[in-house]
Amino acid sequence: GQQLNQSPQSMFIQEGEDVSMNCTSSSIFNTWLWYKQDPGEGPVLLIALYKAGELTSNGRLTAQFGITRKDSFLNISASIPSDVGIYFCAGQSGGSYIPTFGRGTSLIVHP
Amino acid sequence: ETGVTQSPTHLIKTRGQQVTLRCSSQSGHNTVSWYQQALGQGPQFIFQYYREEENGRGNFPPRFSGLQFPNYSSELNVNALELDDSALYLCASSSRKSGGASDTQYFGPGTRLTVL
Repeated sequence: GQQLNQSPQSMFIQEGEDVSMNCTSSSIFNTWLWYKQDPGEGPVLLIALYKAGELTSNGRLTAQFGITRKDSFLNISASIPSDVGIYFCAGQSGGSYIPTFGRGTSLIVHP
Repeated sequence: ETGVTQSPTHLIKTRGQQVTLRCSSQSGHNTVSWYQQALGQGPQFIFQYYREEENGRGNFPPRFSGLQFPNYSSELNVNALELDDSALYLCASSSRKSGGASDTQYFGPGTRLTVL
C-alpha cells in the first residue's frame, strides 16, 4: 500500500524562526493536503495542492507540490506560539479522494 | 469550527463490549468518512458513506460497521472491542455530486475511546 514518510517527527524552535517540514511517498499522488491538529481537536485543512510544481501560500504558510508528484513540503515563516500543534501531510491518488496521512510533525514554539 | 459534531467526546469501555459513535455532518454535506487515529499516528481511513451506502473501506475488520441516515448523519459501530481499538475516532464530512468526486473533507473534534 501507499506509505507516506513525514519528517521531521518533531521540532522545537524559538518564536520568530522559520520552519520547514516535508513528506515523501512511495507512489504518485495527484493531490497533496496539509493539515494542522490541535490537542483535543480534529485536523484542520491548511493548504491543498492539485498540480505538480504548484506553490501555494496561506498567510505565513507556503506549501509546494513536488515535480515528481511523490513529495511535498510545508514552510512556516516567522513562527508564533499559536503555531504549536501537529502538522500532517496527506496525499490522494486516483479517483478515490480518500487521503492517506503521514505520521505527523509535532511543532513546539518557545516564546 | 467546521460544523461537524461528534458524540460522545470521551468513552471508556471494556474488552468485548460494543460501542456506537455518532457524527453530524456539516450542513450541505452528503458524504461522511470515518478515521481511526492511534496515539502518535496519523488518521487511518475506516470507511466512507455516501447516500446511506458504504462507499469505500480501509483495512479494518468487519466488526467495524457503520450507518448513514437520510439527514446524512452517521454512526460508527465497533463490536467485540479489543485493547488496540483505543484511539481517537474522527469523522469527516464532505460534499459529493452524483458520479463525481468528493470535495475537501472537514473533520469533527473526534471521540476518544479507551478500551480497558
